[in-house]
Parts: sequence; C-alpha cells; structure tokens
Amino acid sequence: KQEVTQIPAALSVPEGENLVLNCSFTDSAIYNLQWFRQDPGKGLTSLLLIQSSQREQTSGRLNASLDKSSGRSTLYIAASQPGDSATYLCAVRRNYGQNFVFGPGTRLSVLP
Amino acid sequence: DTAVSQTPKYLVTQMGNDKSIKCEQNLGHDTMYWYKQDSKKFLKIMFSYNNKELIINETVPNRFSPKSPDKAHLNLHINSLELGDSAVYFCASSHIRTGNTIYFGEGSWLTVV
Repeated sequence: KQEVTQIPAALSVPEGENLVLNCSFTDSAIYNLQWFRQDPGKGLTSLLLIQSSQREQTSGRLNASLDKSSGRSTLYIAASQPGDSATYLCAVRRNYGQNFVFGPGTRLSVLP
Repeated sequence: DTAVSQTPKYLVTQMGNDKSIKCEQNLGHDTMYWYKQDSKKFLKIMFSYNNKELIINETVPNRFSPKSPDKAHLNLHINSLELGDSAVYFCASSHIRTGNTIYFGEGSWLTVV
C-alpha cells in the first residue's frame, strides 16, 4: 500500500529565501507525481506534474524533481514571497486508473 | 469558466438528515473523484468513476452513495448524517489514460450538528 509523507510539516521563512519541500513515497512504481498548493478555505491548485519517466519540471520560481528509485520528490521554491504562504501537498499515482495518494502537506509561511 | 464546480460550498445540517453534494466538470475528462479532507487536513479518496462506471470504492460507510448520471457529473449523496461526517469534501477530475493533471473543485464544507 502506497504511503506518502512530507517533511517538514510546517516551515516558516523570511521573504526572499530559497526553500525545499520534501515528499517521500514507499512504492517506487508510480505513474506520475503531482505537487499542489492549498490556500486556507480553498481547493487544491495544481503546480507541477512529473511523469514517471521525467526527472524534473519547472514553472517560474518552482522546480520539482523526482527520484523514483529512492522514492523521493522535492519542490524547490526560489526567492520566496509572502504570497507563497500556503499548504503544499504532493500526490502520487500508481497506474492510470488508480487514484492519487496524498501526503499530509507542508504548511509554509513566508514572512515579509 | 470554472473547470470543476461543486455545490453547495457550505452546508450545516442536523444529525440523521440526508444531503447531497453536486459536482460538474467542463474539462471533457473521463474520470471523476470524491475526496474527503478531515480536520487533520488529510486528503483521502472515497470514490472514483470512469465513464460513469465505479472504479474505486474505498472503505466508506454505505451511507455514502455516489451517482454519475453522465461523464461530466458525479454527485455524492449521504444518508443518516453523523457528527463524524463533518469534513470538507472535494470533487476532482482527470483523464485516466494520459495521466493528465487532476483538477479539484473548491470544496464543500459539511458541518453536522
């Protein structure tokens, strides 16, 4: 059974810092991995999707990497801004037809 | 245009009542999901439908019954509501074959009193 963990559970950084969020999964046979952002009282917004054959994806100040063999993914946020404050969740999908299994999230606070 | 929309956004109801949450997606996806996010913020799959057929049915009480009248709609009906059903329910959709990103609705905040 796939289990997803995220470290740290919460993170507080001053504005402008670069930071890394970590995601680990127990079963490396994944179809893809996705990073989401959730603002308080809101739904989830997709940030980056990495297929199993890919090593990383980039979008603006965000870069996500995937190391299937070690069961890890990282989300790198460059030059953090207060507007980046949210909960970041990663989710993995085993095969097409399978649901996404979510991690518990990392709650990020970027202080002005 | 809202890609995945669900109604109502907020719902407060008494124990024992029956309620429904509706979901619609206009993305042309063939797969729709219901997720539950509890007070600890864990997101867990409840159901998944592909082309109106149930493909995932996690261990949830049979008081929860999903209905998919067509590919674009997946409704969730809950009978005999209990206090423990209070949570945020998220509808989502994706395309099963291409492994495309999954899109979420804004959530439905259910409070059972």
